[in-house]
Amino acid sequence: DTGVSQDPRHKITKRGQNVTFRCDPISEHNRLYWYRQTLGQGPEFLTYFQNEAQLEKSRLLSDRFSAERPKGSFSTLEIQRTEQGDSAMYLCASSLASTTDEAFFGQGTRLTVV
Amino acid sequence: TQLLEQSPQFLSIQEGENLTVYCNSSSVFSSLQWYRQEPGEGPVLLVTVVTGGEVKKLKRLTFQFGDARKDSSLHITAAQPGDTGLYLCAGDSNSGYALNFGKGTSLLVTP
Repeated sequence: DTGVSQDPRHKITKRGQNVTFRCDPISEHNRLYWYRQTLGQGPEFLTYFQNEAQLEKSRLLSDRFSAERPKGSFSTLEIQRTEQGDSAMYLCASSLASTTDEAFFGQGTRLTVV
Repeated sequence: TQLLEQSPQFLSIQEGENLTVYCNSSSVFSSLQWYRQEPGEGPVLLVTVVTGGEVKKLKRLTFQFGDARKDSSLHITAAQPGDTGLYLCAGDSNSGYALNFGKGTSLLVTP
């Protein structure tokens, strides 16, 4: 296991279409996070899982966004009825629950909504 | 959400110069992480600081955690073009679950 992997790396979609991204965390990590990053900004927290339970969702996460982690391993992030404002880098990170909770990131999925 | 302010926002220096970037907050963090991010890639963890006053060194990079655990600094000695990137600090949120990030310092080191 070489780290967190995300698929696809790039996605171009038309406005109104649905998209789904996948994240495979580091295998022994029980925590998984989704972040969104736009140009010139730091990553913004979207949602967090501990094992299969979704424990926290940001107010940034509108009803069009849904995330799952059905077996406590990989996770998917779906965006329905995409809007141009959804264009961003979507980052996944994982960590092993500890006092320092160091998060390791994947390379991200770059979404462009046209 | 605990706000992390990073300064400066942009920094352009020549190879061989020294620099310091800062990460400040009005809140206390149990730990704070520094990441470096290159364009089109995810952030890469550099270091975690936990104890107030702690100093950690990673080759030419020196990280310090403030005594009150509200702020941190990153000092780079003799910067090289390979140090170019976005430097992000991150700390635990009020809920204790997710990391909150600053906006980052974009560093450009020219030969």
